[in-house]
This record gives sequence, structure tokens and C-alpha cells, in this order.
Amino acid sequence: QVQVIESGGRVVQPGGSLSLSCATSGFTFSDYNMHWVRQAPGKGLEWLAFISYDGINTYYRDSVKGRFTISRDDSKSTLFLQMNSLRFEDTAVYYCAKDHERYWYYFDSWGQGTLVTVSS
Amino acid sequence: EIVMTQSPATLSVSPGERATLSCRASQNVRSNLAWYQQKPGQAPRLLIYGASTRATGVPARFSGSGSGTDFSLTISSLQSEDFAVYYCQQYYNWPPLTFGGGTNVEIK
Repeated sequence: QVQVIESGGRVVQPGGSLSLSCATSGFTFSDYNMHWVRQAPGKGLEWLAFISYDGINTYYRDSVKGRFTISRDDSKSTLFLQMNSLRFEDTAVYYCAKDHERYWYYFDSWGQGTLVTVSS
Repeated sequence: EIVMTQSPATLSVSPGERATLSCRASQNVRSNLAWYQQKPGQAPRLLIYGASTRATGVPARFSGSGSGTDFSLTISSLQSEDFAVYYCQQYYNWPPLTFGGGTNVEIK
């Protein structure tokens, strides 16, 4: 079955950097678009970033554009999120999510999330 | 950016009763609307896509309806495992993909 496992979350100081990983299995990773979604403590879901199945197209929400970079390694079925210039408001659980079908941008598989805490 | 507004924020329902959750889009999203269920400490789970198609393994007591700007999720007879937070998400016009603020379905 599909498995999605995020890692890399930790406490980081404002202005710092962090790299998150999302290891997947149970599906052909290179066939699917992937996303990062986050959830601040006690808050709702917020979409962050998209990468197309072929890695050619990436999109970001404005608040992370220029600070976060999504990438993928199809040989390892792994998705990444490089986060720079972190702010207090980036504190959240970060989820990796898989598109249900190409060209339909909703998520049928999610990881358990990894917690990023930005604190001095 | 399309803003998704869910109501009510909290819905108190007794087990066995029917629950209807609403989601409104600030612009027409046609039928490009998904619903998710999230329980405490867990990742969201896809329930409905295309406004009305149940995802694999989702019980028939969950149904979605609507198109354009007004949508609803109905749980016909609430079971104990259905008490959770529910989110809608539009995928018609993006980036960004946007979620509603959620409806917390709690035990009355």
C-alpha cells in the first residue's frame, strides 16, 4: 500500500534553514505530482508547494516563494522541501501529499507529518 | 486567490443523527472541490473529490453535493468514528490551492 513518511522537522532559530524529506513507497513516484501542505498548531491546512510528476513545474504560495524550494529525486522516490530564512510563523506540522490523479490537484495520500518549530 | 469559507465552525451532533456541513467559494470552482476528514494527531484523509465522488473505502453515509460556489458534505447517520474536523479544498484555480477553515463535528 501507499506509504508516505516525512522527516527532518526540528527546532530551528529564526532566519535559519531546514531541509525536510518525504520518503514514499507503494506507488510509482515518478508518475505523480507531489505537494507540501502545513498546519500551524491548532489551525487549518495551508498548501505550500507543488512539483509536477516530471519535476519541470513548481508552484508556491506567495508567503514562501523565494524562501522554500520543492524538489524530488525519482530514483529514491523521495520529495524534499528546502526551507530558508525561517520565520516564527513557519512553525507548523509539514505534510507531504500525493495527487490522486495527474491534472487533478487534490490529495489521496498524506504522511503523518513532521513538526517544524521556529523559536529563539 | 479563491477564499473558501466553511460553516458552521463547530457542529454539535448526537450519534445517529444527520450532519450537514457547508463550504462556500469566493469564485466559481465548478465541481473541483474535495473534502477531507482529520482526527486529532492524524493526517487528513480524502473523503470526497469532484464535489460528489467518494474516495476509495469511504462509507456510503458520506455524501457530497454542490457546484459553482456552494457545496455541502452530509453524514447521514453519525458514527463515533466520524467526530473529527472536516475541510474543503478547491482545485479549480490555483496556485494557491486553498482550504476552508474547517468544521469541527463534536459529540452533542
